[in-house]
Amino acid sequence: EAGVTQFPSHSVIEKGQTVTLRCDPISGHDNLYWYRRVMGKEIKFLLHFVKESKQDESGMPNNRFLAERTGGTYSTLKVQPAELEDSGVYFCASSREFEQFFGPGTRLTVL
Amino acid sequence: AQKITQTQPGMFVQEKEAVTLDCTYDTSDQSYGLFWYKQPSSGEMIFLIYQGSYDEQNATEGRYSLNFQKARKSANLVISASQLGDSAMYFCAMREYNRGAQKLVFGQGTRLTINP
Repeated sequence: EAGVTQFPSHSVIEKGQTVTLRCDPISGHDNLYWYRRVMGKEIKFLLHFVKESKQDESGMPNNRFLAERTGGTYSTLKVQPAELEDSGVYFCASSREFEQFFGPGTRLTVL
Repeated sequence: AQKITQTQPGMFVQEKEAVTLDCTYDTSDQSYGLFWYKQPSSGEMIFLIYQGSYDEQNATEGRYSLNFQKARKSANLVISASQLGDSAMYFCAMREYNRGAQKLVFGQGTRLTINP
C-alpha cells in the first residue's frame, strides 16, 4: 500500500511569489490533514478535510493560505503571496480512523 | 484547549540502554488519544504507538512501550535496548475533537541521540 506522498519535497521562492503544495493521501482515506512546523517550534494543525469538505480550518494562519481537495482525492495548499514567516515544513496526513499517517513533508523556504 | 509538554529538548543515551522520553498533557476531555511519532533526519513522520484514554493496559509495540499514568496526565515513551537508528526527533501528540473534526496537538519534541 502506497503511503502519503507530497510534492515537491523542497521549494525555494521569493517573498511575494505563489507556491502550491500537493498531497496525495493513502487510497481510501477520507480524512486529510495539513500541518506545518516553522523553525524551532512545534508542529501546528492547519486544517482537516473529510472527503472534499473542510471539516476544520481553524489553524489556517490567514487568507493568504488556500486549501482545496478536488473530488475528495488529492489536496493542494496554495500560499499567495508568500511571506518570510511562511518558511517551514508542511506536512500532510491522512487517516481512515484515528491513526494519522504522515507524508514526508514539503520544506518551504521563502527568501 | 489541549496542551502537550515535552520538557526534554535533547537526550543522549548509550547504545543498548533503555530510554524514557517524557510527555505530559493537559485536557478536560474524558475521551482522548495519545500518540508518539518519530522523525528521523530524512524528515518523514513515523507513527510509533497509540494509547487511548480508556485503555487499561499500557500500549506496547515491539521495543516501544507507553507508560500511561492517567492521574498524573503523563504518557512517557520507553524505548528498550536502544539502537543507533533510534536517533531522531520524537513528538508526543494528543488527538483533539471539536464538533466532529479531529486534529493532533503536538509537543515541542525531544531530539534523541544514541551514542555507540
